Amino acid sequence: SQTIHQWPATLVQPVGSPLSLECTVEGTSNPNLYWYRQAAGRGLQLLFYSVGIGQISSEVPQNLSASRPQDRQFILSSKKLLLSDSGFYLCAWSLASSTDTQYFGPGTRLTVL
Amino acid sequence: DAKTTQPTSMDCAEGRAANLPCNHSTISGNEYVYWYRQIHSQGPQYIIHGLKNNETNEMASLIITEDRKSSTLILPHATLRDTAVYYCIVRVGGADGLTFGKGTHLIIQP
Repeated sequence: SQTIHQWPATLVQPVGSPLSLECTVEGTSNPNLYWYRQAAGRGLQLLFYSVGIGQISSEVPQNLSASRPQDRQFILSSKKLLLSDSGFYLCAWSLASSTDTQYFGPGTRLTVL
Repeated sequence: DAKTTQPTSMDCAEGRAANLPCNHSTISGNEYVYWYRQIHSQGPQYIIHGLKNNETNEMASLIITEDRKSSTLILPHATLRDTAVYYCIVRVGGADGLTFGKGTHLIIQP
């Protein structure tokens, strides 16, 4: 069966510091991968999605970037964090199909101080 | 994706069936109805989805009206662990992301 991992689970970072969040999927090949953010008291917002290695689509312009160096690895990065980057970051995967049901990871809670 | 409307919150007694409604009056013919839930501080969990017919799995049942303008998610025997925010999402299949609204906060009462 498929499993999705995210780490770290929680992170506290100072403003201006870099960020790297990692997501990996096991038990499947060539998944679609997604990064979402949920700010406090708000809904989930799609940040990036990828349909293959090196293919990244950005939904919201911001100081974050995403990369997909391997088929089942998706990384979210920032060179300099802002206070507004605080939130709950979720990775999800799906298989290309007529429905593309998405399955979410456990999330990373990021606090920028 | 079509817009959905859900009640802000609902209560249900433990052991009873929880019926969560969703209106999607502008749904188009190729859009699916998806349900997810999010327990506090966890990632959203996929529950069920359907196009036209009613669907049932080990977690829940999905009832879609004949005109497809509304649907109901049914948790047949609610437990305290079913307390969560439930999201109804309407979308065409594809690699684009999901659009989550505010959902329904379901509280299961002991």
